[in-house]
Amino acid sequence: SQQGEEDPQALSIQEGENATMNCSYKTSINNLQWYRQNSGRGLVHLILIRSNEREKHSGRLRVTLDTSKKSSSLLITASRAADTASYFCATDALYSGAGSYQLTFGKGTKLSVIP
Amino acid sequence: NAGVTQTPKFQVLKTGQSMTLQCAQDMNHNSMYWYRQDPGMGLRLIYYSASEGTTDKGEVPNGYNVSRLNKREFSLRLESAAPSQTSVYFCASSPQGWDEQYFGPGTRLTVT
Repeated sequence: SQQGEEDPQALSIQEGENATMNCSYKTSINNLQWYRQNSGRGLVHLILIRSNEREKHSGRLRVTLDTSKKSSSLLITASRAADTASYFCATDALYSGAGSYQLTFGKGTKLSVIP
Repeated sequence: NAGVTQTPKFQVLKTGQSMTLQCAQDMNHNSMYWYRQDPGMGLRLIYYSASEGTTDKGEVPNGYNVSRLNKREFSLRLESAAPSQTSVYFCASSPQGWDEQYFGPGTRLTVT
């Protein structure tokens, strides 16, 4: 079962523009994380925001969390060609199948930054 | 400091064959995880080990077994491979709980 869903599925922008990706989830969470995956590589953790936080910054990344709407957004400012990758949100939520908390990932947004 | 390492990088199996995917981390993390990634499906948790000596099922455990050999190593075994297990397998570790996870480079497995 997919807890988080990213939107859009694909995004193409020019270098220097800002990129915004959204994530919606279904159940209450303790934290929400964003990861980046370059083609054929492992995932790299970008940022974690806890359920009692509304906004967090890390370098050119800005993440917001709206628990009332069960949604988050990832903003990458002044994008570079090196930002081309897939971006995934992940939430820790109670997984009914196992009766325990697990980290579940969305299907990702594929970002292309054109030089 | 190598982080999370996985072996092998690529593997082709015939249906019914068995194999073990190896994972090791050198960050002294308590928790380790196995995921599979299929096109259009995102990552799905197969098994995890919250601490040395414990293992628990994830979302898609059928057809797999795991062993937490020690704090560093967490292996995934396919006893009788099936074409549906063709996927990219990622191992990950974290200090504890469901916070930031560190991923290995993945194993690309094809079952024919």
